[in-house]
Amino acid sequence: QKEVEQDPGPLSVPEGAIVSLNCTYSNSAFQYFMWYRQYSRKGPELLMYTYSSGNKEDGRFTAQVDKSSKYISLFIRDSQPSDSATYLCAITLPRSGSARQLTFGSGTQLTVLP
Amino acid sequence: DTGVSQNPRHKITKRGQNVTFRCDPISEHNRLYWYRQTLGQGPEFLTYFQNEAQLEKSRLLSDRFSAERPKGSFSTLEIQRTEQGDSAMYLCASSSRGPKNYGYTFGSGTRLTVV
Repeated sequence: QKEVEQDPGPLSVPEGAIVSLNCTYSNSAFQYFMWYRQYSRKGPELLMYTYSSGNKEDGRFTAQVDKSSKYISLFIRDSQPSDSATYLCAITLPRSGSARQLTFGSGTQLTVLP
Repeated sequence: DTGVSQNPRHKITKRGQNVTFRCDPISEHNRLYWYRQTLGQGPEFLTYFQNEAQLEKSRLLSDRFSAERPKGSFSTLEIQRTEQGDSAMYLCASSSRGPKNYGYTFGSGTRLTVV
């Protein structure tokens, strides 16, 4: 079993839709959770990070963590064609107050149709 | 300095040849990471530097792979005797010190194709 499981999609939605992206993880010791966006032929770009259960909102993006279920989600409201990308969840065990090794999901490919 | 720079962007090499990639991190970042990403997969951790010290290496980093970060600035990743299975995107990332710097800044990667 992989440490982080992510539905690879592809996921295709119409512009303006609410998008839900999800990951599950197996190690309850993981404490820090991130979402990255990766455009084709580019490196991943950090969207959001959180370390506690609950919701964290940033503009059209909401990250949700449920540590009891080992489940993390990213919601995108009012999706735009420019949101078309691969979304990667990443989690980590912090050591000495800073993250070192990130464990990534396999990514979900999202297409937002105009 | 606008981000993490990686060179070359693309590299095609014949099996058995050696290749070297370079990463220039964000100048004030003292932490540098190498990851490898294959098609349809998320990045996988290879190695981590804090300043010039290589503090972590993944078991993915076979003895054909070596990474350096002289003087704690740029870093190089060398692959000797390349194999077709080494074909992947090699990503470099950097981060600064601090208790909340859990996210990295990635470069655009070097795409290696071994033929």
